[in-house]
Amino acid sequence: AQTVTQSQPEMSVQEAETVTLSCTYDTSESNYYLFWYKQPPSRQMILVIRQEAYKQQNATENRFSVNFQKAAKSFSLKISDSQLGDTAMYFCAFMKKGGKLIFGQGTELSVKP
Amino acid sequence: DTAVSQTPKYLVTQMGNDKSIKCEQNLGHDTMYWYKQDSKKFLKIMFSYNNKELIINETVPNRFSPKSPDKAHLNLHINSLELGDSAVYFCASSQERGRGVEKLFFGSGTQLSVL
Repeated sequence: AQTVTQSQPEMSVQEAETVTLSCTYDTSESNYYLFWYKQPPSRQMILVIRQEAYKQQNATENRFSVNFQKAAKSFSLKISDSQLGDTAMYFCAFMKKGGKLIFGQGTELSVKP
Repeated sequence: DTAVSQTPKYLVTQMGNDKSIKCEQNLGHDTMYWYKQDSKKFLKIMFSYNNKELIINETVPNRFSPKSPDKAHLNLHINSLELGDSAVYFCASSQERGRGVEKLFFGSGTQLSVL
């Protein structure tokens, strides 16, 4: 069975600084996808970034980038130039082809002015 | 237009009652899901339907019964509500493409409070 682990329940960062959220996963699959979702206080689930396991290049979306280490089964999220609006719960998630989306426990990020 | 809409947004009810949550997606997706988010914010899949057929049922009590009248709708009916059913329930949809699922689109959630 696949599992996703986020070892940092809470993190904080100063506005304009950079922060990295950790995620590890366990799977025997070779074809899968990894995601970071953001859940602000509004409760809406928002996709931040997606990585396909067969791609070696790390995905980037503006200020958000990932460090995908397939052998180590690690998928960390880096947020550069943190903004107050980045304050939210961040979920790492795994999905094999044709499977279900499995979430980690979440990391609550606070961006301080 | 909202891609995945679920109603109601809030539901407060007494123990023992029966309630339903409705979900509709206008994205033309083949697969729809129900997720439960508990008080610790942990998200876990409950059900998944593909083209109106149940494909995932994650050891959810029989009191929970999903119904998919067509591939754009997936409703969740809960019988004999218990205190432990209090949670936020999310509906989601996705479409499998050649390279897999691009992402899940989520509804805004239904906060269920059982008193």
